[in-house]
Amino acid sequence: GNSVTQMEGPVTLSEEAFLTINCTYTATGYPSLFWYVQYPGEGLQLLLKATKADDKGSNKGFEATYRKETTSFHLEKGSVQVSDSAVYFCALRLIGNQFYFGTGTSLTVIP
Amino acid sequence: EAQVTQNPRYLITVTGKKLTVTCSQNMNHEYMSWYRQDPGLGLRQIYYSMNVEATDKGDVPEGYKVSRKEKRNFPLILESPSPNQTSLYFCASSPSGGNEQFFGPGTRLTVL
Repeated sequence: GNSVTQMEGPVTLSEEAFLTINCTYTATGYPSLFWYVQYPGEGLQLLLKATKADDKGSNKGFEATYRKETTSFHLEKGSVQVSDSAVYFCALRLIGNQFYFGTGTSLTVIP
Repeated sequence: EAQVTQNPRYLITVTGKKLTVTCSQNMNHEYMSWYRQDPGLGLRQIYYSMNVEATDKGDVPEGYKVSRKEKRNFPLILESPSPNQTSLYFCASSPSGGNEQFFGPGTRLTVL
């Protein structure tokens, strides 16, 4: 079946540290891939997306590359800030517009 | 202000008492969707709608109903709620095809 697997948290980093959150997927066909971010008490917001293999999505210093050969879409940021503390969700969208989300990874950045 | 609104934000109810959670968007979006968020399970899609009078089941539709009679509204109906439907529910909308979804603030439902 279709699914998204992302690394379990919580993740705690010091400010300016390098961030990687792993995400792999299983899907039929050629899905679009997304990273969403959820701040405390709020709904999810789109962080970045990639719609085909080798595309790189980027936003606010975050990046992720759609790797078809490894079915992965790992999220990276070179230098995290306290304001990046949130829960991050990897997601895929199938051709029929059905979505699958990962379980979420909680990130805490300490000064 | 462009937004997705949900009501109520918090609800405590009892098993078997029918309830409706409303969702409305003011962005003229075609695509709307409902999710539930549970610890350790992430978000799971319940139902989605590509346009008026067009709804489809997501991953976990059992125990839920939806309708899309108007473009802006997409209510979630629980005909006979059970405790395993205690969850945080999110409505979302998108201009088309669900590429970028705009999420509502969430509805926390407790079924006793």
